[in-house]
Amino acid sequence: EAQVTQNPRYLITVTGKKLTVTCSQNMNHEYMSWYRQDPGLGLRQIYYSMNVEVTDKGDVPEGYKVSRKEKRNFPLILESPSPNQTSLYFCASSLERDGGADTQYFGPGTRLTVL
Amino acid sequence: QKEVEQDPGPLSVPEGAIVSLNCTYSNSAFQYFMWYRQYSRKGPELLMYTYSSGNKEDGRFTAQVDKSSKYISLFIRDSQPSDSATYLCAMKKAGFQKLVFGTGTRLLVSP
Repeated sequence: EAQVTQNPRYLITVTGKKLTVTCSQNMNHEYMSWYRQDPGLGLRQIYYSMNVEVTDKGDVPEGYKVSRKEKRNFPLILESPSPNQTSLYFCASSLERDGGADTQYFGPGTRLTVL
Repeated sequence: QKEVEQDPGPLSVPEGAIVSLNCTYSNSAFQYFMWYRQYSRKGPELLMYTYSSGNKEDGRFTAQVDKSSKYISLFIRDSQPSDSATYLCAMKKAGFQKLVFGTGTRLLVSP
């Protein structure tokens, strides 16, 4: 089954404790992206990757890191989480790098709480 | 001013009603327009996809794009309780994968 998977689905942590949220897709997609979703603000892009070893900042990159060592995986790293990073996080992927008739497919989400 | 504006709702309708969901946008460079449906505790799933202006129909769903007014709509005919979800509009420019989302409209369809 074609899908985007994320782990963990739920995470409660404390301020400053480094964490990684994994994202994997089995569709051989080139483009991958991370979003956070907050009430009243909608989905905002954190980072994206157009291919292996190619990543770039989205609209709200502060406090986050990413890496793309393999085509299928795109982990989101919070080196020192803070309470304002409490949010619902989504990973997404799409076949093409540069837009066109395809679109993005989303993972199930990771609900993160930072105390 | 946000690039994409969407009424958050909630919008409550009885089963069988016609539902109209809308978004306005400010960037005339947007060429691709999408509607995603998001159920509680789930990721957004693509519902409709339209390029440039015009209408697109898929079963009970019709998407309309009016680029001259910078206004897009999603119509749901014969709405069902299973349509209860948050509907997100999204759009992107040609040559770019970055999606710009509205904040979503919560729809409640009562039996």
